[in-house]
Amino acid sequence: GNSVTQMEGPVTLSEEAFLTINCTYTATGYPSLFWYVQYPGEGLQLLLKATKADDKGSNKGFEATYRKETTSFHLEKGSVQVSDSAVYFCALRTYSGGGADGLTFGKGTHLIIQP
Amino acid sequence: DAGVIQSPRHEVTEMGQEVTLRCKPISGHDYLFWYRQTMMRGLELLIYFNNNVPIDDSGMPEDRFSAKMPNASFSTLKIQPSEPRDSAVYFCASSFSRTNNEKLFFGSGTQLSVL
Repeated sequence: GNSVTQMEGPVTLSEEAFLTINCTYTATGYPSLFWYVQYPGEGLQLLLKATKADDKGSNKGFEATYRKETTSFHLEKGSVQVSDSAVYFCALRTYSGGGADGLTFGKGTHLIIQP
Repeated sequence: DAGVIQSPRHEVTEMGQEVTLRCKPISGHDYLFWYRQTMMRGLELLIYFNNNVPIDDSGMPEDRFSAKMPNASFSTLKIQPSEPRDSAVYFCASSFSRTNNEKLFFGSGTQLSVL
């Protein structure tokens, strides 16, 4: 089956620090990979995605590269801001012939940025 | 479009009572998903529909849980009877997808507390 493993939180950083949140996956077939972000009291929203090996997804200064050889999709940002404080979820989605499957999520990493 | 709309936003009930959660997906989307979020287990896919038909309900925890989608613009998740361990945030999400790389749009969730 499909599964996603991401680093446990909370991750606490100072403003302007470099961020890495690790994510690895196992999947049947060829998945698409996603990072979703959840701000307090809200639903999840897509941050970035990559659909094939070596693709790089990017948005709002965040980046992640689809590494098929290491089954990883680590999230990075060069200089974090207080407003980046949220819970980040790595996810994958597969296609099983009859249609797309549901997203499989990691457990989430709570990121706290201190001014 | 107003996005995915869930109601109620908060629900507090007593053990043994019936609980009904409601969802209106984004117009034109043909996939609808129900997720449950807890601290211990993260985000779990409960069930999803394609064109109003349940495709995979293997995540539904037990027979106390049921979900319906009588038309393309409405779905319900029912718990009967409810138990304290059902306390969680329940998210509905929708997407338009013929492949696996389309993003999901999430509602704001229903915070359920069973006393």
